[in-house]
Amino acid sequence: DGGITQSPKYLFRKEGQNVTLSCEQNLNHDAMYWYRQDPGQGLRLIYYSQIVNDFQKGDIAEGYSVSREKKESFPLTVTSAQKNPTDFYLCASCPQITGGGYTFGSGTRLTVV
Amino acid sequence: KQEVTQIPAALSVPEGENLVLNCSFTDSAIYNLQWFRQDPGKGLTSLLLIQSSQREQTSGRLNASLDKSSGRSTLYIAASQPGDSATYLCAVEAGGYQKVTFGTGTKLQVIP
Repeated sequence: DGGITQSPKYLFRKEGQNVTLSCEQNLNHDAMYWYRQDPGQGLRLIYYSQIVNDFQKGDIAEGYSVSREKKESFPLTVTSAQKNPTDFYLCASCPQITGGGYTFGSGTRLTVV
Repeated sequence: KQEVTQIPAALSVPEGENLVLNCSFTDSAIYNLQWFRQDPGKGLTSLLLIQSSQREQTSGRLNASLDKSSGRSTLYIAASQPGDSATYLCAVEAGGYQKVTFGTGTKLQVIP
């Protein structure tokens, strides 16, 4: 079945450490997205990519970096500059055409220890 | 700037009741509206996608309607079940290439 796989489900990060969250899709979608879900604030866009080797900053890109070397993969690196103690990250994809609707992964919960 | 509001933030109903969840948006020039379900600690599961040219979509016990002129969408759940307990979010795509704005959701509890 087609879908989006995020890994790991839980991730622990020491202060000063960078970590990378994985997002893989087999839906043949061109566009991929990273969101952070904050309690009471909903989903906030971190980065998005419309095509391989291209990506754009979202509303809260500071402290994060991404790459898009393959159509299927859009990893997110959380750098030591990101100070929140616990965050929930969601990856999504969408067909290239406008109006295609989103498909989401199951999420990664990141905790600073 | 598009704003998406979902009221109420939380709702508790007895099993078997029919219910309506509301979503309102400020910019009516939308491409589509999508309803999602989210269980605690999980990702978002797409329930229904309504294109701007459509008035409603149905899937099983779920029916979503869209009124662009009034900036409103409703998600109707028939004969609610405890398994329907979750947070329901709506998302509106408008204002440029895949610019999507999410509501903060309605947390539904269906009591057996």
